[in-house]
Amino acid sequence: SAVISQKPSRDICQRGTSLTIQCQVDSQVTMMFWYRQQPGQSLTLIATANQGSEATYESGFVIDKFPISRPNLTFSTLTVSNMSPEDSSIYLCSSTNRGGETQYFGPGTRLLVL
Amino acid sequence: GQNIDQPTEMTATEGAIVQINCTYQTSGFNGLFWYQQHAGEAPTFLSYNVLDGLEEKGRFSSFLSRSKGYSYLLLKELQMKDSASYLCAVIVSYNTDKLIFGTGTRLQVFP
Repeated sequence: SAVISQKPSRDICQRGTSLTIQCQVDSQVTMMFWYRQQPGQSLTLIATANQGSEATYESGFVIDKFPISRPNLTFSTLTVSNMSPEDSSIYLCSSTNRGGETQYFGPGTRLLVL
Repeated sequence: GQNIDQPTEMTATEGAIVQINCTYQTSGFNGLFWYQQHAGEAPTFLSYNVLDGLEEKGRFSSFLSRSKGYSYLLLKELQMKDSASYLCAVIVSYNTDKLIFGTGTRLQVFP
């Protein structure tokens, strides 16, 4: 199974600033994803992080607000730009194993925007 | 659009059996996952179904009917530690595979 780590684990940020979240997987994986989980709710897919090309965003999410990088097969970053209190949430990184029959999650980054 | 529905909350008694249902209407179905999520933690993988039928893993079993767009997670011999949210998630294929989550079911187990 893949082990996924995220940094930071939590942060408190001021409105209007940006935060970059890092995700590291301990083995080469094909697919990496970023999710958001707002308090008391299920997970919402933000985007698929593509290695060496632009991320694929879901409806309601745009690159200017959530720029994503994936420079290699084991690392990705998500930036939450120009933050507002509505961005307070848990952000989770995820990856699939080679066969695609298991998808693992990182521990999440808890973000509070004041 | 993609639609994945689960009951919002369920309660059960320690030692009992509980069935959590999930219905879905998605395009490009390519498999279904169940995850367990305790409060404040990341989701952990429970099961994966891609063919019709029942998959059993210890106290947990998961069933899939692709023709009916229906799955359930069965938890036997419930324990207090099974109190958690249970998330149904469908792999949809459109250009690439991606995992879309249902609304989640919060299960409370009472002594």
